Amino acid sequence: AQSVAQPEDQVNVAEGNPLTVKCTYSVSGNPYLFWYVQYPNRGLQFLLKYITGDNLVKGSYGFEAEFNKSQTSFHLKKPSALVSDSALYFCAVRDDLKVTGGGNKLTFGTGTQLKVEL
Amino acid sequence: DARVTQTPRDKVTEMGQEVTMRCQPILGHNTVFWYRQTMMQGLELLAYFRNRAPLDDSGMPKDRFSAEMPDATLATLKIQPSEPRDSAVYFCASGLDARRDGVCEQFFGPGTRLTVL
Repeated sequence: AQSVAQPEDQVNVAEGNPLTVKCTYSVSGNPYLFWYVQYPNRGLQFLLKYITGDNLVKGSYGFEAEFNKSQTSFHLKKPSALVSDSALYFCAVRDDLKVTGGGNKLTFGTGTQLKVEL
Repeated sequence: DARVTQTPRDKVTEMGQEVTMRCQPILGHNTVFWYRQTMMQGLELLAYFRNRAPLDDSGMPKDRFSAEMPDATLATLKIQPSEPRDSAVYFCASGLDARRDGVCEQFFGPGTRLTVL
């Protein structure tokens, strides 16, 4: 069974500082990994995904994520945080269909609230 | 600017009443997902469709929930009878699964906030 963990309920960062939101996963076979962001009273918005290829994935709004197979992690990063980045961030994983034989469930983490302060 | 739309945005009802939530996926998308979000359980997948066919509804309580796609432009999620524990925000998402392996970016609607008294 696939699972994803976001160990931090909240991350506080000063504007202009780099930010990291952590995510670790467990899947059968190769992982498909996603980051989504949710602003208050809105649906989730896609930020970026990793399927295969370069371990460093670049996404929307200056975010990037690094896939680390040995540590089974997919941490979200941004070099310089903005107050407008304050939101709820979700990591999601889907396993390799070839291994499990079917299903398209994305398993979401519990979310990490990012707060960027001046 | 193509978006997933959901109606109603807010719904307050009494226990035992039927609730129907509607979703219009983005035109051309072939997969539709229904999620439920609560503080306690986080984001849970209830059901998903590809090309209007239900592929997985194992996350959905079968005795009271039902999900359908009468046509490619409409997905519905129905609860009958509703219970207070169904209070949550229900999200619809759509995507284009061109690879047929389900790895697609999902576009979420704004959600329906359901309160069952």
